[in-house]
Amino acid sequence: GIQVEQSPPDLILQEGANSTLRCNFSDSVNNLQWFHQNPWGQLINLFYIPSGTKQNGRLSATTVATERYSLLYISSSQTTDSGVYFCAVKGYAGNMLTFGGGTRLMVKP
Amino acid sequence: EPEVTQTPSHQVTQMGQEVILRCVPISNHLYFYWYRQILGQKVEFLVSFYNNEISEKSEIFDDQFSVERPDGSNFTLKIRSTKLEDSAMYFCASSATVSGTGELFFGEGSRLTVL
Repeated sequence: GIQVEQSPPDLILQEGANSTLRCNFSDSVNNLQWFHQNPWGQLINLFYIPSGTKQNGRLSATTVATERYSLLYISSSQTTDSGVYFCAVKGYAGNMLTFGGGTRLMVKP
Repeated sequence: EPEVTQTPSHQVTQMGQEVILRCVPISNHLYFYWYRQILGQKVEFLVSFYNNEISEKSEIFDDQFSVERPDGSNFTLKIRSTKLEDSAMYFCASSATVSGTGELFFGEGSRLTVL
């Protein structure tokens, strides 16, 4: 099946700093989503971005499908950004999302 | 904004007991999914459901698991005889498109603790 690798696995930031999270995948995809898992365990949809660039407030994402990676940018980080960020992809075979291992982000005040 | 709702939010059960987790997907969605996340680990696919039948399942989804859409709104996951290793967060998800390429929307999860 498709492999999804996220980096870095852990990230500690000072409030106000910017960061870039990376997601690499092993095969062509027709769905890519970024999620934020908050401290209560809820998965919050951030972006549906199989290709191209999107922005939502302080967050933006870019997927370069031909090179099999996606980036999530967090600017001016806040303590509420803390949690785990997951990338998940769906290849052309099968109809389920495969999740990466996540990036655990801690933003310190 | 439409959302996927799950009940219960937390259930504690004894090993060997049957558990039913319930989900109400977004109303016009056609594909339904169950995922699970063991504490501290990645989110894993269990099963997908379309047109009243299982369309795909993972190796985790063995004979002790079953899914059902008993009416037009609910989607359930049953674990027949729970084991300690079934303790996890279970997420229901739904998507709109027939081809399954659309965005998946996840519920808030049901945390299952097996003692």
